[in-house]
Amino acid sequence: DTAVSQTPKYLVTQMGNDKSIKCEQNLGHDTMYWYKQDSKKFLKIMFSYNNKELIINETVPNRFSPKSPDKAHLNLHINSLELGDSAVYFCASNLHDNEQFFGPGTRLTVL
Amino acid sequence: AQTVTQSQPEMSVQEAETVTLSCTYDTSENNYYLFWYKQPPSRQMILVIRQEAYKQQNATENRFSVNFQKAAKSFSLKISDSQLGDTAMYFCAFMKHGGGSEKLVFGKGMKLTVNP
Repeated sequence: DTAVSQTPKYLVTQMGNDKSIKCEQNLGHDTMYWYKQDSKKFLKIMFSYNNKELIINETVPNRFSPKSPDKAHLNLHINSLELGDSAVYFCASNLHDNEQFFGPGTRLTVL
Repeated sequence: AQTVTQSQPEMSVQEAETVTLSCTYDTSENNYYLFWYKQPPSRQMILVIRQEAYKQQNATENRFSVNFQKAAKSFSLKISDSQLGDTAMYFCAFMKHGGGSEKLVFGKGMKLTVNP
C-alpha cells in the first residue's frame, strides 16, 4: 500500500549519460512535485504538475525534463548528466492545500 | 519571495529531555501553512506537524507541539520526552495558500541527536 513510490532508489551513472527517474502515487492526488536535495541537505523545488499540466518550473536547466503521462505519474528525465547533478531527488504529491507526501527519494551519483 | 531560516545547524539532547527547534520565516502573504518535516537516516521525509496561519491555536501532535508567533514570523517546534527515534534532520517549511499547486520552501535543516 505504498503511497508515493520512486524507482530506482539508487542510480549510479557516468557523466554525459541520459537517465530517468519514475514516480507514482496511489493517493488520488492531483498535484505532483520534484524536489532536489543537495549534498548539504538543502531541499529545493524543481517542478510541479497539476493534472498533467506544468505549473512550476523553478529555473532548472533544460537538461531536466519532467513528463506526466497521467495525474498519478510524474517522471524526471535528465540529459547529459553532469557531476553537479549528483543529489537525492524526491517526488511528492498533495491534494489542494494539504501537506505533501514524499516518496523515498532517489540517490543519483554521477561519476 | 518567501524565505525560511533555521539558525541552529545541530543540537543534541539526552533521552527524555525536552528540546526546542527554532524557525523564522519571511513572507508578505497572509494565508499560508507551516510544517515541520523529519528526515531520519533512512532518508524518508516524514511530516511531523502542520500549522495553518489563520489558526491562533498552536498545533500539537502527541509529544510534538509548536509555538507559532505570526507577528514575529516565528514557528518553533518543541519535542517533549525525547526518544532515540527522534534522531533525525528536521526541516521547517512554508507553503503559500491557494492554487493547490504551491511549493514547499524549506529551511536548511537542523540535525538533532538524542543520546541515551
